[in-house]
Amino acid sequence: GQQLNQSPQSMFIQEGEDVSMNCTSSSIFNTWLWYKQEPGEGPVLLIALYKAGELTSNGRLTAQFGITRKDSFLNISASIPSDVGIYFCAGDSSNTGKLIFGQGTTLQVKP
Amino acid sequence: DAMVIQNPRYQVTQFGKPVTLSCSQTLNHNVMYWYQQKSSQAPKLLFHYYDKDFNNEADTPDNFQSRRPNTSFCFLDIRSPGLGDAAMYLCATREKQRKTQYFGPGTRLLVL
Repeated sequence: GQQLNQSPQSMFIQEGEDVSMNCTSSSIFNTWLWYKQEPGEGPVLLIALYKAGELTSNGRLTAQFGITRKDSFLNISASIPSDVGIYFCAGDSSNTGKLIFGQGTTLQVKP
Repeated sequence: DAMVIQNPRYQVTQFGKPVTLSCSQTLNHNVMYWYQQKSSQAPKLLFHYYDKDFNNEADTPDNFQSRRPNTSFCFLDIRSPGLGDAAMYLCATREKQRKTQYFGPGTRLLVL
């Protein structure tokens, strides 16, 4: 089946550092979504991308829909302790409304 | 605020004892999803409703059932929970014309 490869699997960074994570696929996706999940909570939508090449920001977060439609990245600038959590990318390739999820990137921020 | 609500947030049940988890939404979205999420893994889709049409994933065990009595509510019934069914259960909704899914806070199920 279709898969999204998300990397890195985990990151341990110092407060104030910038963070970058990405998802790639062998298939074309029509939509890319980035979620953050904190322990014991559901995923919260951070950014939604609908067009190839689209670059969207949400505060310190920036995400891009790759030109090839097979990848997306999420950047977090000037990280703070509350950025801690698991970040998931998710994509919809078949217009079925079903999302394919990446494996998640666990982010830890040292104050 | 429009939102997806899940109750209870924590549920403890006994091995083999039926349990029902509930989800409600004030977003008036047509599509509702149930996911199972185990520790350190991505959510796994169990089934979804497109309006009243039920769509089961091929690998969802028969032990899991769902009901959607109206647009706002959706229930997940686990007929005979096993130890392996202990997980976080997530409800999500989507507006028919859009691709974005919005998740509830989840219900963590513990099976003793």
